[in-house]
Amino acid sequence: QQQVKQSPQSLIVQKGGISIINCAYENTAFDYFPWYQQFPGKGPALLIAIRPDVSEKKEGRFTISFNKSAKQFSLHIMDSQPGDSATYFCAAVSGNTPLVFGKGTRLSVIA
Amino acid sequence: DAGVIQSPRHEVTEMGQEVTLRCKLISGHNSLFWYRQTMMRGLELLIYFNNNVPIDDSGMPEDRFSAKMPNASFSTLKIQPSEPRDSAVYFCASSFGVNRGYEQYFGPGTRLTVT
Repeated sequence: QQQVKQSPQSLIVQKGGISIINCAYENTAFDYFPWYQQFPGKGPALLIAIRPDVSEKKEGRFTISFNKSAKQFSLHIMDSQPGDSATYFCAAVSGNTPLVFGKGTRLSVIA
Repeated sequence: DAGVIQSPRHEVTEMGQEVTLRCKLISGHNSLFWYRQTMMRGLELLIYFNNNVPIDDSGMPEDRFSAKMPNASFSTLKIQPSEPRDSAVYFCASSFGVNRGYEQYFGPGTRLTVT
């Protein structure tokens, strides 16, 4: 299975700060890059996603930045809030293959 | 819609016992995915089905694991015999198709503890 490498493994951010999670991939056939958010005791849920023909996508305080040449993409959470504390997974998919997930980043936003 | 439904939510069993996890897909979805989540290994895809047919079971750890889709809306994951290293949270997820597999809807998970 093709890998998606995610970092950091855990992240602590002050309330109001910017949280940044990075992912890198090798398979250039990947054509869709979603991020999933998982709260404790819940299943992951789709947060935001981007296609490789777009360099940035913003939804509220969440922004995906995509660098096709570097094969990297990142999630930025602006004005981070304690309610954003969760585990975040990047993922990638191509054609008829299922999602390939990164290992996850546990985000803690402290007041 | 009630979303993906999993049962039981928690299961504690002794080593050697058979465990059956259940999943009900969202109505209209035709792809079903079983995942296992642990701290060490993250979220692992075990097997997925499309239109009730198993497509790829290469993630199933060993023959002790088996999964079925007896109909379009229901699936089971069975572990027989169970071992302590099987302790994890097991998720199922459904979607409209594998080629749109990025739009997966996850259930709440079953936390399995094997003692």
